[in-house]
Amino acid sequence: GAGVSQSPRYKVTKRGQDVALRCDPISGHVSLYWYRQALGQGPEFLTYFNYEAQQDKSGLPNDRFSAERPEGSISTLTIQRTEQRDSAMYRCASSSWTGLHFEQYFGPGTRLTVT
Amino acid sequence: AQTVTQSQPEMSVQEAETVTLSCTYDTSESDYYLFWYKQPPSRQMILVIRQEAYKQQNATENRFSVNFQKAAKSFSLKISDSQLGDAAMYFCAYRSADSGGSNYKLTFGKGTLLTVNP
Repeated sequence: GAGVSQSPRYKVTKRGQDVALRCDPISGHVSLYWYRQALGQGPEFLTYFNYEAQQDKSGLPNDRFSAERPEGSISTLTIQRTEQRDSAMYRCASSSWTGLHFEQYFGPGTRLTVT
Repeated sequence: AQTVTQSQPEMSVQEAETVTLSCTYDTSESDYYLFWYKQPPSRQMILVIRQEAYKQQNATENRFSVNFQKAAKSFSLKISDSQLGDAAMYFCAYRSADSGGSNYKLTFGKGTLLTVNP
């Protein structure tokens, strides 16, 4: 498939557990973004990478959230000691540096439920 | 920081009619992009239309068009000949065009839920 993929699509975890969410961007896309979308809200920026370098993590809510992209391709968003307020849809998007518009292509999202 | 406001939480339209969704934004930048994204029940994010701020001409994509008023910082979406498949949540989004920092993060509004009645 040529699109952005994310796994798992659904994750239910108990409060206090750690979770890892995976994003596989479109092949060759340099930039990768993570967003969080609470129910009834628009997506909110969390962090982004160019290649393997994390360029901006200003949107991460606290230090329980971290992200990496060690080889400049697949990225993992990790939430430690999950809390109920972390329940949301987590989306990633990737974009190329070619072309004029740096269009972001979104994955299907991971719906995280913390019980 | 930029903000995007969608003042209509819900809208409805009869099939084949026209509907306009409103969006306003706040920015101190002069060059930027504005977008409308559609999120159907499948929860995918689908780009509907894009507008570059430096272009005075309003963007059009088939039945979808925008009314971009830069001075008023307004960016509305018009859907003509509405179809049942248009039913979705619609998000307005802003993105800086400044490539200096290369952070092209999107700032979204809260969305407008559009219902299409047969």
